[in-house]
Amino acid sequence: AQTVTQSQPEMSVQEAETVTLSCTYDTSENNYYLFWYKQPPSRQMILVIRQEAYKQQNATENRFSVNFQKAAKSFSLKISDSQLGDTAMYFCAFPRTMYSGGGADGLTFGKGTHLIIQP
Amino acid sequence: DTEVTQTPKHLVMGMTNKKSLKCEQHMGHRAMYWYKQKAKKPPELMFVYSYEKLSINESVPSRFSPECPNSSLLNLHLHALQPEDSALYLCASSQVGTEFLEGNQPQHFGDGTRLSIL
Repeated sequence: AQTVTQSQPEMSVQEAETVTLSCTYDTSENNYYLFWYKQPPSRQMILVIRQEAYKQQNATENRFSVNFQKAAKSFSLKISDSQLGDTAMYFCAFPRTMYSGGGADGLTFGKGTHLIIQP
Repeated sequence: DTEVTQTPKHLVMGMTNKKSLKCEQHMGHRAMYWYKQKAKKPPELMFVYSYEKLSINESVPSRFSPECPNSSLLNLHLHALQPEDSALYLCASSQVGTEFLEGNQPQHFGDGTRLSIL
């Protein structure tokens, strides 16, 4: 079974600073995907970024980038030039199985990191 | 804009009531999901539908009854709920994964229904 660990319950940084959220996971799969989701107070879970394990290049989406270390099973999220709107819960997520036989399966989420951007 | 629409946004019900939560998406996704999220916790999977068929039930009590009447709609029927069932219920949808790469499809979530059981 896949496990996902986020060791930072809460982080607080000043606006415009760079912040890194950590995530480690455990899996016996060789081919898989990893996701970061953001959940602001408005409640909607928003996909921030997706990483394919067999791609060595780290994924980037505007101010968001990941540092993916497959051997170390580490998947951290870096937010550059942080903005007030980045204040949210951030969840690292991993597919429960890569092949359930039914065509789809749910996500296993880490416990989350509450990120607060201070003005 | 939310591409997955959930109604109602808030629901308060007594333990003897029967109510339903609704979820709708028009992205052509053929996989749909129900998650339960307690305060300050991550979402927990309840049900998965793939091609309108229930493919995963995470040992959810029978007082929760899912239904997928067509590829765009997902319902969650509620009956005789307990106070501990109070939570945020999230619906999500995704493309169905290809063989051996099911887990690569990102899930798109709705805003959720905040359910309170009196």
